[in-house]
Amino acid sequence: DTAVSQTPKYLVTQMGNDKSIKCEQNLGHDTMYWYKQDSKKFLKIMFSYNNKELIINETVPNRFSPKSPDKAHLNLHINSLELGDSAVYFCASKRGTSGRDEQFFGPGTRLTVL
Amino acid sequence: AQSVTQLGSHVSVSEGALVLLRCNYSSSVPPYLFWYVQYPNQGLQLLLKYTSAATLVKGINGFEAEFKKSETSFHLTKPSAHMSDAAEYFCAVSDDSGGYQKVTFGTGTKLQVIP
Repeated sequence: DTAVSQTPKYLVTQMGNDKSIKCEQNLGHDTMYWYKQDSKKFLKIMFSYNNKELIINETVPNRFSPKSPDKAHLNLHINSLELGDSAVYFCASKRGTSGRDEQFFGPGTRLTVL
Repeated sequence: AQSVTQLGSHVSVSEGALVLLRCNYSSSVPPYLFWYVQYPNQGLQLLLKYTSAATLVKGINGFEAEFKKSETSFHLTKPSAHMSDAAEYFCAVSDDSGGYQKVTFGTGTKLQVIP
């Protein structure tokens, strides 16, 4: 039974399109994240939600909009996709808000913008 | 402010040899330190973490790391490398300095194991 799941696993689309990535965790965690991993494996935090409230909003183009319908789900919608958006996007969750808690990562969504 | 530096973006070892992956951190308050591993085409998974208890931390798959405050280091070691250890390894730092905490990840070290 997967702890943190993401759909789709692969996403290939044209520039200018709008797409969404969905994430679900069944761990009962309160905090969820979106990360972007580029081709050099650098991991950049994008957003974090705690109990459906946005708590971290890094410098990310406003074409990216997260939505948390409940604390088990965190979706990422991307408008007007650009070539530079091509990356692997990871969802993660954590039990609470303490820095001592580790994160549990999903398998990733590989986004390719043509 | 916190940061983490991983020395060496690529490390190659022979199968059976010692694995040493280096991580230095910077934090103005007592840190929490993590090592995560990422196998090809997978998400990150926790190897081990330091949360101010024992300074020598044992993790999964025979890995361990030692927290050295004087050296601001948290190097990852394994006595004998196995082919299955080939992966990307990330060191990360966090703390409880107030508010909602984010984790700062290092740039990763790719471990290659040569048969």
